[in-house]
Amino acid sequence: DIVMTQSPDSLAVSLGERATINCKSSHSVLNSTNNKSYLAWYQQKPGQPPKLLIYWASTRESGVPDRFSGSGSETDFTLTISSLQAEDVAVYYCQQYYSTPFTFGGGTKVEIK
Amino acid sequence: QVQLLQWGAGLLKPSETLSLTCAVYGGSFSGHYWSWIRQPPGKGLEWIGQINHGGSTNYKPSLKSRVAISVDTSKNQFSLTLTSLTAADTAVYYCARIRDSYGFVDSWGQGTLVTVSS
Repeated sequence: DIVMTQSPDSLAVSLGERATINCKSSHSVLNSTNNKSYLAWYQQKPGQPPKLLIYWASTRESGVPDRFSGSGSETDFTLTISSLQAEDVAVYYCQQYYSTPFTFGGGTKVEIK
Repeated sequence: QVQLLQWGAGLLKPSETLSLTCAVYGGSFSGHYWSWIRQPPGKGLEWIGQINHGGSTNYKPSLKSRVAISVDTSKNQFSLTLTSLTAADTAVYYCARIRDSYGFVDSWGQGTLVTVSS
């Protein structure tokens, strides 16, 4: 199985400041045929199912605010919230879909400082 | 706009069998894979497996001996069965739509808390 490791486990950021979450995979999730990294990011608020934010490592899902961006390739990825808003308080997960069993990172809790 | 509505028993005893069903409303049923994902209380997400409209499945190897996912295309529904339950299977179970066949989830059911306790 590909192991996904997120860091930090939690972070507190002031409103309007940048939040950065890292995700590292134990195996490259880059498909050399199409040059796409099979990596997605989700946001989960308490009592709700996760919500898709980013796929193909950097493609923003329709309707997701542009303050959310994804970057990285192969084994190292980053989710950035450029200007944290109160409604962004949540747990964020990365997921690889390069190979089954698909696996998730352990999650990063984002709070307001 | 696709909607996933799931149902099933929420309180089970050790050694019993979990059965959950998810109905899909709106969107294409045949054009996607359909998945089950679970989340133990206060913990992270675990992919259980997936199925397509033709019945082709993939399962997490550590659960493969106890899990089955089936599909009923006449009703646009898919189901999860997990046998020989233990307390470690206590979790919120989500049904989910995989976009096309890629592997990332673009729609989720509301979740069902399944508690395994004697």
